[in-house]
Amino acid sequence: AQKVTQAQTEISVVEKEDVTLDCVYETRDTTYYLFWYKQPPSGELVFLIRRNSFDEQNEISGRYSWNFQKSTSSFNFTITASQVVDSAVYFCALSEVTGGGNKLTFGTGTQLKVEL
Amino acid sequence: KAGVTQTPRYLIKTRGQQVTLSCSPISGHRSVSWYQQTPGQGLQFLFEYFSETQRNKGNFPGRFSGRQFSNSRSEMNVSTLELGDSALYLCASSLGTLNNEQFFGPGTRLTVL
Repeated sequence: AQKVTQAQTEISVVEKEDVTLDCVYETRDTTYYLFWYKQPPSGELVFLIRRNSFDEQNEISGRYSWNFQKSTSSFNFTITASQVVDSAVYFCALSEVTGGGNKLTFGTGTQLKVEL
Repeated sequence: KAGVTQTPRYLIKTRGQQVTLSCSPISGHRSVSWYQQTPGQGLQFLFEYFSETQRNKGNFPGRFSGRQFSNSRSEMNVSTLELGDSALYLCASSLGTLNNEQFFGPGTRLTVL
């Protein structure tokens, strides 16, 4: 069965520090998709990125970057020069192709607190 | 383009009652998924509807059910409410192709007393 582990429950940093959120996944599928979502205090999950299992290229979007390593089953997320507005809970999620639908399996989330 | 909308935003019910939550997806999206979020269990998949048919189902009891209408709007129903059903219920919509990114609504906060 699929599983996503986010071992870091809570991380606190000072503004402008870089921070990396870890995500480790388990799946028997060879084709799968990985996602990151942000949940600010308002509660709505905000989509950040989708990556398929055949694309191991790292991706950068502004201050955000993602490092996908199939060899270690990890899909880590780095925020460069963090800002207070980055404070939120971040979820990593997995979707398997054999599931036949759009079922997302989420990790338990990492609460990121960015302080001045 | 309007985002995913969910009604009502907050709901208080008592044990044994039933409740219906509504979700309107982004225009053009044909898939609607429902998730339950609780402090203890985290985010858990309930079910997904595509073209008015349930395409995928999570591990929840039969008290949890849903449906989708021809305009892609979806409802989920919980019968015989239990205290443990208190949660944030999130609806997500996507285009419908498999494993596409899902866009979430603001959720319905259900409290069961």
